[in-house]
Parts: sequence; C-alpha cells; structure tokens
Amino acid sequence: SQTIHQWPATLVQPVGSPLSLECTVEGTSNPNLYWYRQAAGRGLQLLFYSVGIGQISSEVPQNLSASRPQDRQFILSSKKLLLSDSGFYLCAWGETGGLQPQHFGDGTRLSIL
Amino acid sequence: QKEVEQNSGPLSVPEGAIASLNCTYSDRGSQSFFWYRQYSGKSPELIMFIYSNGDKEDGRFTAQLNKASQYVSLLIRDSQPSDSATYLCAVVGDNNDMRFGAGTRLTVKP
Repeated sequence: SQTIHQWPATLVQPVGSPLSLECTVEGTSNPNLYWYRQAAGRGLQLLFYSVGIGQISSEVPQNLSASRPQDRQFILSSKKLLLSDSGFYLCAWGETGGLQPQHFGDGTRLSIL
Repeated sequence: QKEVEQNSGPLSVPEGAIASLNCTYSDRGSQSFFWYRQYSGKSPELIMFIYSNGDKEDGRFTAQLNKASQYVSLLIRDSQPSDSATYLCAVVGDNNDMRFGAGTRLTVKP
C-alpha cells in the first residue's frame, strides 16, 4: 500500500531564516505531488504541484520554492521566511492523470517568530 | 476563478441525527468529486468520492451528485460525536486541477 511521510511535524523559525520541508511517498511510481498551505480556520491553498521529476508548477507567487529531485521526493523551501509564511503545510500525492483523489501527509505546523 | 463553495457552519446536529453537508461548484466541466474529513490540528482524510450523477453509499456516508445543478452533498446517518470535524469538498475540473472548498465545521452533540 502507498504511504506518505512528511517532516518535521512542527517547526518554529525566526523571521528571515531558511526553510526546508520534505515529503516522500512509498508504494507508487510517478505520482503527482502537491504542496498546500492552510491558514488557521481557512481552506487549502495550493502552492506547488509536480507531475514528474524536475517539473514544478507554481500556483501562487511568493517567497517559497519547490523541488522534486527524485520521483517520490518533494521539497518545499524558502531562503528567507516571512511572518505571513506561518501555517499548516500539507504534502499530498495522487495517481497520474489528476482525476483520482489526493492523499495527504500528516502536515507540518510552521510558526514564524 | 473556478470556485467551490461550502457553508462554513458550524453545523450542529444531535447524536443519531442525519447531518447534511452541501457544496456547489462553478466549473461545469468538473469530473471528480471528493469529500475529506479534517479533525482539528490534523490533515484531511478522504472519506468519499463520486464521479457519476446520483447517490453513492458507503456505510453511514452517502455522497450525492447533481451535475446539472453543480451540486454535491454528503449525508452522514446516525451521526456520532466522533464525526465532529471539518468536512472539505474537493472538485477536479476539466483541466485536472483539484479545488477545495473552505470546509464546513460539523459538531455532533451527545
């Protein structure tokens, strides 16, 4: 069966510091991969998605970036965090094609001080 | 902008009652429809999906889809306190992008 791992679970970072969140998927090949952010009490905002190694599409312009160095690895990064980057970050995977459901990791709660 | 709309709630029902959660979407070309449950502080969990008009039942859950009215709903029968959560509606449009509603918060009172 497929599993998705996301870490760390919580993170407290100062403003201006860098960020690296990692997500890996097991049990499937060539998945679609997604990064979402959820502000407190709000819906899911799609940040990035990837349909293959090295292929990244950005939904929202911001100081975040994403990379997919391996088929089942997806990384969210920032060089300098802003206060507005606080939130609940979720990685998800879906089968190729996009019509199938997405399955979420446990999420990373990021607090910027 | 392709929208997915849900009443934010909170929706409060007594234990044992039927909870009815509603969702409308703007993209008439949408093809796949999903319901996720999200407990406070946790990630969303898929509970139902539906692709064709009509009803789909899975245990206490029934998803209903009406593409002509661009409307999808989730019924929870015999609601339990453990069903208290936020329910997210998600829709995949004709360009294969998944859009989420903001969610409806459900409270089931013992």
